[in-house]
Amino acid sequence: AQTVTQSQPEMSVQEAETVTLSCTYDTSESDYYLFWYKQPPSRQMILVIRQEAYKQQNATENRFSVNFQKAAKSFSLKISDSQLGDAAMYFCAYRKSSGGSNYKLTFGKGTLLTVNP
Amino acid sequence: GAVVSQHPSWVICKSGTSVKIECRSLDFQATTMFWYRQFPKQSLMLMATSNEGSKATYEQGVEKDKFLINHASLTLSTLTVTSAHPEDSSFYICSAREGQREKLFFGSGTQLSVL
Repeated sequence: AQTVTQSQPEMSVQEAETVTLSCTYDTSESDYYLFWYKQPPSRQMILVIRQEAYKQQNATENRFSVNFQKAAKSFSLKISDSQLGDAAMYFCAYRKSSGGSNYKLTFGKGTLLTVNP
Repeated sequence: GAVVSQHPSWVICKSGTSVKIECRSLDFQATTMFWYRQFPKQSLMLMATSNEGSKATYEQGVEKDKFLINHASLTLSTLTVTSAHPEDSSFYICSAREGQREKLFFGSGTQLSVL
C-alpha cells in the first residue's frame, strides 16, 4: 500500500521569506502523480501544484515549486516570498497513474504553516 | 474553473437520526466522486469511491450500511450517515473527477456534529 509521510507537523516562516515543506512517500509503482494541496481555515481544499513521476523537470507554479527526487521518493514544496495568505494546512498527496478506482488520493498528515508578519 | 457544491456546510443532529450530505458538480459531469472524512487537525481519509450508476467501493474499515453512498446521476452524489452517533461527528469532504480529466475538484465540506 502507498503511504505518504509529512514529518513536519508545524512550520513557520516570516513574511517574504522562503520555506520548504517536506514529504516522502512509499510506492512500488513506477508511474504516479504527486500533489500538494492547501487547506486554509475555510477548509476548502485547493490544489497548489502537481508533479507527474515520469517527468524529471520539477513543477513550478508562480511562487510554488517542488523538489522531486524520484529515487529518494521525496517531494518537497518550496514557497518563495511567503505571503500572509499562504498560512494554511498543506497536504502532500499521491495517486497511481492509471484511472478508475486508482484515481483515489492518499494524503499525508499535513503540515500547518504559519506566516509571521 | 469547475465547481463542486456541497450541502449542507454544517449540520447538527441528534443521536440515532440520519443525515444526508449532497455533492453536486455544477458545470461538469462527474463520472467518479470520492468521499473523505477528516477529524480535527488530521488528514483526509478516503471513505469510498462512487461511479455513476454503480455501487460505491468502500475502503477497508468503513461500514457501508452506515455510510450510504448514492451516485444516481453524473452531477450528484449523496452520502447518508444512518443512525448517527457522536463518534460520527467529523468533517466530510467530497471530490469529483470530470470525465477522464486529470484534475479533481473538491467540495467545501460538511461539518457534522452529532449530539
